[in-house]
Amino acid sequence: DTEVTQTPKHLVMGMTNKKSLKCEQHMGHRAMYWYKQKAKKPPELMFVYSYEKLSINESVPSRFSPECPNSSLLNLHLHALQPEDSALYLCASSPGGRGGFGYTFGSGTRLTVV
Amino acid sequence: GENVEQHPSTLSVQEGDSAVIKCTYSDSASNYFPWYKQELGKGSQLIIDIRSNVGEKKDQRIAVTLNKTAKHFSLHITETQPEDSAVYFCAANQAGTALIFGKGTTLSVSS
Repeated sequence: DTEVTQTPKHLVMGMTNKKSLKCEQHMGHRAMYWYKQKAKKPPELMFVYSYEKLSINESVPSRFSPECPNSSLLNLHLHALQPEDSALYLCASSPGGRGGFGYTFGSGTRLTVV
Repeated sequence: GENVEQHPSTLSVQEGDSAVIKCTYSDSASNYFPWYKQELGKGSQLIIDIRSNVGEKKDQRIAVTLNKTAKHFSLHITETQPEDSAVYFCAANQAGTALIFGKGTTLSVSS
């Protein structure tokens, strides 16, 4: 298995809803990432988990809450989002460690906040 | 941390011409340089990558060159076709760290 699987592919939520995005990989990668991408813009790094520990939080608002239950799973919990949070949310993984080249991206969850 | 600059932001070429997109990076420790293609409404697709121990890599009509001394790398597309039209992103990282992206180049190939 050489894929990163993200669910759901599309999500529409109201500003008072609570929802979660899920990401899964079975490549044995030990680093996992969440990115946010707006149309025609580059992916912006949100969070980095390394060996199941949060190592980087790029000043993301607390309405986004990441969770790494185990080395294969990464969740992003969403609460009280704003319309400007509508974007493509990408999960990625990499082997981790200094010798770990290569990134694998999932196909993303397209989130619309209404 | 790493900072990646990408130029040009838009590029228009005629079908059959070559296209070149250039990126510079700031962190001399970076050793992995991928290029992604993103078509409208789709996620990013890795099209080619290069590691710092190699100066050039080619895959059919696509090539990437790396100049570690100058800290820049370039994407070359030859014999462009309309289906090459997309947004292209360069990126850089040191293995084991987060990948940082350039701002993207919108390539338009007209027939």
